[in-house]
Amino acid sequence: DAGVIQSPRHEVTEMGQEVTLRCKPISGHNSLFWYRQTMMRGLELLIYFNNNVPIDDSGMPEDRFSAKMPNASFSTLKIQPSEPRDSAVYFCASSGGGAYGYTFGSGTRLTVV
Amino acid sequence: RKEVEQDPGPFNVPEGATVAFNCTYSNSASQSFFWYRQDCRKEPKLLMSVYSSGNEDGRFTAQLNRASQYISLLIRDSKLSDSATYLCVVTDFNKFYFGSGTKLNVKP
Repeated sequence: DAGVIQSPRHEVTEMGQEVTLRCKPISGHNSLFWYRQTMMRGLELLIYFNNNVPIDDSGMPEDRFSAKMPNASFSTLKIQPSEPRDSAVYFCASSGGGAYGYTFGSGTRLTVV
Repeated sequence: RKEVEQDPGPFNVPEGATVAFNCTYSNSASQSFFWYRQDCRKEPKLLMSVYSSGNEDGRFTAQLNRASQYISLLIRDSKLSDSATYLCVVTDFNKFYFGSGTKLNVKP
């Protein structure tokens, strides 16, 4: 099992540019989560999907953020336009059910300059 | 009020010490409980689930107190390699709530 795969590992972009983060969950997991982590705010849940359907996006900071899950094996988180305060580590995680815990990807470290 | 509260630490302990972390949660209907470990600049990784009867995995013991709504993690004979941030996680159906983490530094 390759685990949860995220790309890119690092992204440096200029303010105003569009950023797309990608995630491939573990095969067979029916829930996918996007988190953001900063020193100041810790781990924040942005959005989660169950069976490819967005269930709760209340953590998405504003309209500049959008997430999609077109099929069970792929999800994207897009920021357009990006701002310096979006700099953080973005984690994707998948789960086969609440009783089994999450598995996290290695994260994407985003720096917006 | 946060769903899950943890003492951020840091806990600075010598090798071989026993250290305990507590975590409180606000929703009495919470269903599943976990401890995760996160190393610096790495992703959180599942350390152990927490069962109502308490459970042990080597030097690590996890306990759940539903009446008081807290979970605990006990580390015995701590090693340098135990230095990390420990996050407690509480689930409500399919939604996971993370504590902010407790930082542990084990010193020689």
